[in-house]
Amino acid sequence: GENVEQHPSTLSVQEGDSAVIKCTYSDSASNYFPWYKQELGKGPQLIIDIRSNVGEKKDQRIAVTLNKTAKHFSLHITETQPEDSAVYFCAASIVGSGRGSTLGRLYFGRGTQLTVWP
Amino acid sequence: DGGITQSPKYLFRKEGQNVTLSCEQNLNHDAMYWYRQDPGQGLRLIYYSQIVNDFQKGDIAEGYSVSREKKESFPLTVTSAQKNPTAFYLCASSGGTSGGFGTQYFGPGTRLTVL
Repeated sequence: GENVEQHPSTLSVQEGDSAVIKCTYSDSASNYFPWYKQELGKGPQLIIDIRSNVGEKKDQRIAVTLNKTAKHFSLHITETQPEDSAVYFCAASIVGSGRGSTLGRLYFGRGTQLTVWP
Repeated sequence: DGGITQSPKYLFRKEGQNVTLSCEQNLNHDAMYWYRQDPGQGLRLIYYSQIVNDFQKGDIAEGYSVSREKKESFPLTVTSAQKNPTAFYLCASSGGTSGGFGTQYFGPGTRLTVL
């Protein structure tokens, strides 16, 4: 099955700096890559995702890049703020096409604890 | 108000007892999932269901059981056979008109502690 590795496991940055979290995957058939943010004691929240037909996607201060050849994808957070402090998870999946497709078991990385110091 | 609800938020169990964790969604999603989360180990898949009356084992199904009698509900039973059940349990769902392409949305979680 798919194997997703995530680095680093912990990351500390100063407020205003950028943070980068990297993930690699093993199954070249994977075509969907979401990122989740989990605050202490809460369920993970989807913050951004990317599909294999796209190389980069941006949403305000958050961006994700995908390199299918190297089988790795990264989360970039710019202008970090203390409220960005949380655990971030990457995941990979094979999903079907067409609206309403429900296929796609997610394989998660082990998470990165991001701390943003004021 | 659409979303995924899990109850209870905290659950305490004595050794040897079975307990059932509730998961309900009103997102009209076809697929539902149960994960277990332990410190430093990320999310591990226990069971998942892609359609009513059908479900598959995940990576750590031993000591757990599920049912999927209704589209909106996917309860998880932690049996006495589960050797180390203390953990944070997360339910998720995906698919349907508000999902699509495999996006999974998570509930708030249930923290189970065995006394």
